Parts: sequence; C-alpha cells; structure tokens
Amino acid sequence: GENVEQHPSTLSVQEGDSAVIKCTYSDSASNYFPWYKQELGKRPQLIIDIRSNVGEKKDQRIAVTLNKTAKHFSLHITETQPEDSAVYFCAASTGAAGNKLTFGGGTRVLVKP
Amino acid sequence: KAGVTQTPRYLIKTRGQQVTLSCSPISGHRSVSWYQQTPGQGLQFLFEYFSETQRNKGNFPGRFSGRQFSNSRSEMNVSTLELGDSALYLCASMGTSHGTDTQYFGPGTRLTVL
Repeated sequence: GENVEQHPSTLSVQEGDSAVIKCTYSDSASNYFPWYKQELGKRPQLIIDIRSNVGEKKDQRIAVTLNKTAKHFSLHITETQPEDSAVYFCAASTGAAGNKLTFGGGTRVLVKP
Repeated sequence: KAGVTQTPRYLIKTRGQQVTLSCSPISGHRSVSWYQQTPGQGLQFLFEYFSETQRNKGNFPGRFSGRQFSNSRSEMNVSTLELGDSALYLCASMGTSHGTDTQYFGPGTRLTVL
C-alpha cells in the first residue's frame, strides 16, 4: 500500500522566515495531495491541496509544489507568524473508488517571535 | 453549513468493554471516513463509508467496525477494548469543492481505555 514519509519531524523558525516541509510517497497512482494543519487540541484543518496534473499551487503565504517523477511534494510557508505554530500533516490519495488518505508522520512547527 | 460533528467528545472505558462513536457529516456529504490518531502511529485510516456501504478499509483488526445510515450519519464500534485503543478518533466528511474531493474533519472523540 501507499507509504508517505514526512521531514523534518520538528522545525523551529524565526518569525518572518520561511518554513519548508517535504513529503515523499510510494504509490505512483496517488493523484491527490492535501496538507492539514492541526493546532493543539483541535481538528486537522485543510490548508492547501494539489492534484497530480498541477505542479504548483499558491494561496497567499502558503504554496505546495509537486514532483511526480521523484514522487515528492513540499509545503512552503513564507513570512511565518506565531499563529503558524502547529503540527502539519501531508497526505496522499489515489482517489480510486473512494478517498483513503495516507498521512505522513507530521511536522511540529514552532515560530519564535 | 454546519461542520462535521462527533459525539461523544470524550470517553473513558475499561479493557474488554465495547464502545460506539458517532459522526454526523456536513449536510449533503455522502462519504464518511474514520481515522485513528495516536502519538506513536500518527493518523491511520480505519474505513470509509459511502451511501451506506463500506468502500475502503484500513489495516485494523475486526474488533473495529462501522456502519452508515441512510442520512449519512456514521458510527464506529470497537469491541473488546485494549489499552492500545486509547486514541483520538476522527471522522472526515468528504464533499466536492471546486472540483476536488476534500475531506473535512470533525473535532474527534478522545477515547481512554483503562
């Protein structure tokens, strides 16, 4: 089955700097890659997603890039703010007959003011 | 639209007991997926229901089961609870947004097995 690896597991950045989280997936049939943000004690919230027919997608300070050949995708957060501190999860899905998400292990991001 | 709701929010059970968790999806959504979240194993897929049928299943023992009703509400059941079943159980409602299939999570049920 699908396997998603996420790095780094923790990331500490200074406010205003950029943060990058990388994920690799194993199943070449995967075609949907969402990113979720989970604050302490709260539910995972979708922040951005990308499909395999797109190489890059941007939404204000966050962007995701996808390299299908290398089977990896990355989350970029620019101009980080303290409220960006949370655990971020990447996921992958083939979307075939349903939408089973396979998640990476998560990255704990700490933005220092 | 109201979001995904889950009840109860917290549960404490003892080993050997069974438990039923409930999830109400976003109105109009027909797919409900269940995930187990633990510090050690992360987020793991349990199963997905669509139109009252199980469409996908993860690698969990048969003690974990679920069902979906005609109004799309879903329940999951865990029988013969073990200490390792302590986790946050999340359900996700799937809809279509701008042509993509997005999963929206509920707040979760925190299960503690003593």
